[in-house]
Amino acid sequence: GAGVSQTPSNKVTEKGKYVELRCDPISGHTALYWYRQSLGQGPEFLIYFQGTGAADDSGLPNDRFFAVRPEGSVSTLKIQRTERGDSAVYLCASSLRQGAHPYNEQFFGPGTRLTVL
Amino acid sequence: DQQVKQNSPSLSVQEGRISILNCDYTNSMFDYFLWYKKYPAEGPTFLISISSIKDKNEDGRFTVFLNKSAKHLSLHIVPSQPGDSAVYFCAASAKETSGSRLTFGEGTQLTVNP
Repeated sequence: GAGVSQTPSNKVTEKGKYVELRCDPISGHTALYWYRQSLGQGPEFLIYFQGTGAADDSGLPNDRFFAVRPEGSVSTLKIQRTERGDSAVYLCASSLRQGAHPYNEQFFGPGTRLTVL
Repeated sequence: DQQVKQNSPSLSVQEGRISILNCDYTNSMFDYFLWYKKYPAEGPTFLISISSIKDKNEDGRFTVFLNKSAKHLSLHIVPSQPGDSAVYFCAASAKETSGSRLTFGEGTQLTVNP
């Protein structure tokens, strides 16, 4: 009965390096979301997957950010040429299916705290 | 632009009293509103929600009120308990938005003193 899991829990990297953050959604959840939470702010939407495809990537801040979900389950958020401003907690959430009302609850993982030195 | 705002970064109340957390929004397309609770080092957990067709939803000690004309919602917790101490996020969703992605406020740190 596992919830959403994210690895690593903490990641420290140097400016300019490449990082990958992993999300394991709840089994059977077809919708997967990535959010980013900066210090003192609420989570901000990055990208949403329905199945294997990125249905909405309008929240990605620039082309250094990319995410994949090749088999419709695990997702990886990839950040190239990291910058100090990328430091934040990256949250992943999953839900049973998208968009239908009543609203399908998004279940969040504990997040990955990324620190770029 | 900040479409969902929580103007109080923190709130401190006495155990047993009522906690009232406030949230304002600007996007009239939002039709579903949620409150999430977050403890340190954990992800946000869903608390209570309300559809825009209602003005009140109650679940145990938690009640959410929605004033559409004022674009304002509030979360009432009564009686407050020390275990309620956490950061509370207001979030909103629009049916037309792909995937019902959530737009969050900045959060309010609630401290309930024994």
